[in-house]
Amino acid sequence: NAGVMQNPRHLVRRRGQEARLRCSPMKGHSHVYWYRQLPEEGLKFMVYLQKENIIDESGMPKERFSAEFPKEGPSILRIQQVVRGDSAAYFCASSRHNEQFFGPGTRLTVL
Amino acid sequence: QQQVKQSPQSLIVQKGGISIINCAYENTAFDYFPWYQQFPGKGPALLIAIRPDVSEKKEGRFTISFNKSAKQFSLHIMDSQPGDSATYFCAASTWETSGSRLTFGEGTQLTVNP
Repeated sequence: NAGVMQNPRHLVRRRGQEARLRCSPMKGHSHVYWYRQLPEEGLKFMVYLQKENIIDESGMPKERFSAEFPKEGPSILRIQQVVRGDSAAYFCASSRHNEQFFGPGTRLTVL
Repeated sequence: QQQVKQSPQSLIVQKGGISIINCAYENTAFDYFPWYQQFPGKGPALLIAIRPDVSEKKEGRFTISFNKSAKQFSLHIMDSQPGDSATYFCAASTWETSGSRLTFGEGTQLTVNP
């Protein structure tokens, strides 16, 4: 049973470019969460999605960030016009109910 | 009210000793409290979790103690080993039939010396 998969593992973007982060949940899991971890800090909730629905986006910045979890395919976290402050590790988690299992993360570096 | 406070920030323990990490929360709606272990460059791994209907849960060398009236919970690692050296995060959420966001503590960097 494969775990949560994220790609790419490392992503380098220049300021103003777009970043697309992908997450494939564990088999049988219909809930996906995105968290951001800044260097030397804890994880901060961004968004919670179910298939084709955003359930809770209270942690998402109001501009430049969006997320989707389509009927087919992985969940996508999209960051438009990246800035240096977006440099962080972005983790996806999935769950069937309440227990969340995390992927290995995507480390985004903005030059 | 959504915060989870974790202490200490860092902890050094000798091999064979007991590691103790503490967390406190404010939101009385929280009723699910997991602990995660994270190694450098990896994602957090679910270690053990507790709900408020019990005051203690033990899995191998890992024990969670829960004090509902004080709104505190702690992780005890017995017979700590160098391989336990990692960052530990407590978290809290509400227990829903579907799912719910986790609120994390700031993390504790544990070093177990051989």
